[in-house]
Amino acid sequence: RKEVEQDPGPFNVPEGATVAFNCTYSNSASQSFFWYRQDCRKEPKLLMSVYSSGNEDGRFTAQLNRASQYISLLIRDSKLSDSATYLCVVIRSSASKIIFGSGTRLSIRP
Amino acid sequence: DAGVIQSPRHEVTEMGQEVTLRCKPISGHNSLFWYRQTMMRGLELLIYFNNNVPIDDSGMPEDRFSAKMPNASFSTLKIQPSEPRDSAVYFCASSPPGRDYEQYFGPGTRLTVT
Repeated sequence: RKEVEQDPGPFNVPEGATVAFNCTYSNSASQSFFWYRQDCRKEPKLLMSVYSSGNEDGRFTAQLNRASQYISLLIRDSKLSDSATYLCVVIRSSASKIIFGSGTRLSIRP
Repeated sequence: DAGVIQSPRHEVTEMGQEVTLRCKPISGHNSLFWYRQTMMRGLELLIYFNNNVPIDDSGMPEDRFSAKMPNASFSTLKIQPSEPRDSAVYFCASSPPGRDYEQYFGPGTRLTVT
C-alpha cells in the first residue's frame, strides 16, 4: 500500500460546479501537508498549504483531518482553467521524507 | 527572475549509454530535489540536497543512478548505463531556506531510452 494515496480520477464536472477530492496518508507521524497543481506536460506548482483549522484561498479550500488521516481540496465555482492534475504532498520532517501522491485529474467542461 | 533551469529539455539515447541531466536552482535557495515522473509510478523523489549535502537518497533506484551537487548553483543526475525503463520526465526543484515544502520546479527533462 502506498503511503499517500489519491483517487486518480478523472473527475469531469461542468463549469461552475463544486468539486472535492481527498488524499489519504498512512503514516500518523506525517507533519505537514500541501496541494500542488500540475498542468498537462508542465511542472508541478505549489497551490496551497493545508492546516488543521482549514485554509481558504479564494475558491479553494483545503482541510486536514488528522483523526482519519486525510486531506481534502474543495474547489467552488470551478473554471475551465482549473482543469489540471492536483497532487497532494505529505512531509515527515523528522524523517526528512517528502512524498507526493500520484495526483487526481480534474477536467472542467463548458 | 530566472526560475529553476534544467538541461537538456529532451534527451533521446540508446540503452547502455550514459546520460547526464543538469540543474541550476534558484539563487538563494538551499534545498534541491530530483524527481522522476512516469504515468505508472507518478512523481517520485529520487534524492534531495540541503546546503549541497545529500539528505535523503532512498529514492534512488539503483547504483546506476548518481547525483552530485558540487556547489550551491549546480547539480547533476547521472544514469550509467541507461535502460529503457529509465524513460521518464526528470524534474529538478529548489526551495528557500526553511521552506522545503515550497518547491519551485524546473520545466523537466524528458528522457527516452531506446
